[in-house]
Amino acid sequence: DVKVTQSSRYLVKRTGEKVFLECVQDMDHENMFWYRQDPGLGLRLIYFSYDVKMKEKGDIPEGYSVSREKKERFSLILESASTNQTSMYLCASSSPGGAQPQHFGDGTRLSIL
Amino acid sequence: QKEVEQDPGPLSVPEGAIVSLNCTYSNSAFQYFMWYRQYSRKGPELLMYTYSSGNKEDGRFTAQVDKSSKYISLFIRDSQPSDSATYLCAMLSGGSYIPTFGRGTSLIVHP
Repeated sequence: DVKVTQSSRYLVKRTGEKVFLECVQDMDHENMFWYRQDPGLGLRLIYFSYDVKMKEKGDIPEGYSVSREKKERFSLILESASTNQTSMYLCASSSPGGAQPQHFGDGTRLSIL
Repeated sequence: QKEVEQDPGPLSVPEGAIVSLNCTYSNSAFQYFMWYRQYSRKGPELLMYTYSSGNKEDGRFTAQVDKSSKYISLFIRDSQPSDSATYLCAMLSGGSYIPTFGRGTSLIVHP
């Protein structure tokens, strides 16, 4: 089974802090994704990566950056956390090539105070 | 008009009922269709992955795709309280690796 592991289930940070969310997958997937999920808004894509050191902006990249130094690890960085970044953050991965389903981690519920 | 429409619910049914969850879409390029189940405070879990029109069955779950109507359904037979979750549909066009998700339907199965 595909395993996508997010480092923290719950995280509380203060405004202005730099926040790191880590994600690791064990299936040698090329593609990795970061989403945020908010009530009524569904899943929104922040960033994705289709290879090591490659990254592409999703629909809502402002205020975020990412890092992919190794194939299995994809990090999301909140450069200066703000209260409107309080959300559920979900990492996903998928096999190379098109039309492959995504597999998700259990999410990090991040609260910015 | 959103690319994928999904009624948010909640849909409340008694245990043992047959549940029908649906999504409509507008993009005729979508060829691959997925259903995810998401329990509260957990990530989405892939339930079904189908290609083209027709039915696919897996235990109590049946996924149905009608491309001519741009309509997909997930049927759950003999529903159980443990099926209570949010169900998300997702769609991919050929060659794409970023799905378009519906916003999810909340299902409550009461004993």
